[in-house]
Amino acid sequence: DAGVTQSPTHLIKTRGQQVTLRCSPISGHKSVSWYQQVLGQGPQFIFQYYEKEERGRGNFPDRFSARQFPNYSSELNVNALLLGDSALYLCASSFYARDQPQHFGDGTRLSIL
Amino acid sequence: AQSVTQLDSQVPVFEEAPVELRCNYSSSVSVYLFWYVQYPNQGLQLLLKYLSGSTLVKGINGFEAEFNKSQTSFHLRKPSVHISDTAEYFCAVSEYGNKLVFGAGTILRVKS
Repeated sequence: DAGVTQSPTHLIKTRGQQVTLRCSPISGHKSVSWYQQVLGQGPQFIFQYYEKEERGRGNFPDRFSARQFPNYSSELNVNALLLGDSALYLCASSFYARDQPQHFGDGTRLSIL
Repeated sequence: AQSVTQLDSQVPVFEEAPVELRCNYSSSVSVYLFWYVQYPNQGLQLLLKYLSGSTLVKGINGFEAEFNKSQTSFHLRKPSVHISDTAEYFCAVSEYGNKLVFGAGTILRVKS
């Protein structure tokens, strides 16, 4: 069975641009969470979506947004990119909203120039 | 608010030696606890989890961890490490199965 898949694997953007990252959860999983991992730090929670509804939001500015589609895949959007947005963005999925453990994808490496 | 402290940023150890990676957490409620491993340019792989029951938890690749509620600790141990265990290890806590809160990570460097 395929694990959590994320695309693209790498992305280079410039300050002020907008970016969309994509995530496909494990088949049957209805919950998707997004985490940001800045170099040298642990991942930080950004969003959780379950059944297409937002179930949790971390301490991130409104430039960050996300959505979940009927097939449970998800997109993370970041507007007005800043240098500090350079990070590995990880997607994790689980069957239910409070189901543990979560299963992680390999992430999207976003570099801002 | 919950938080996780990984007491060592880097742990060097010789191959076949034992290792302990320390993790302390703070939370006012019951928690689930996890250890994840991250190899270079990869995502997070679950090593082991504590949800309830026995406080000694066994995971993959010969790792184990012990949940100590009184000391709010969840230290990771392996009796004999291999070169292939070189990676970064993250301790994480979840209250009621909600979002994961991670520590800053411990880099395990296994030397031959």
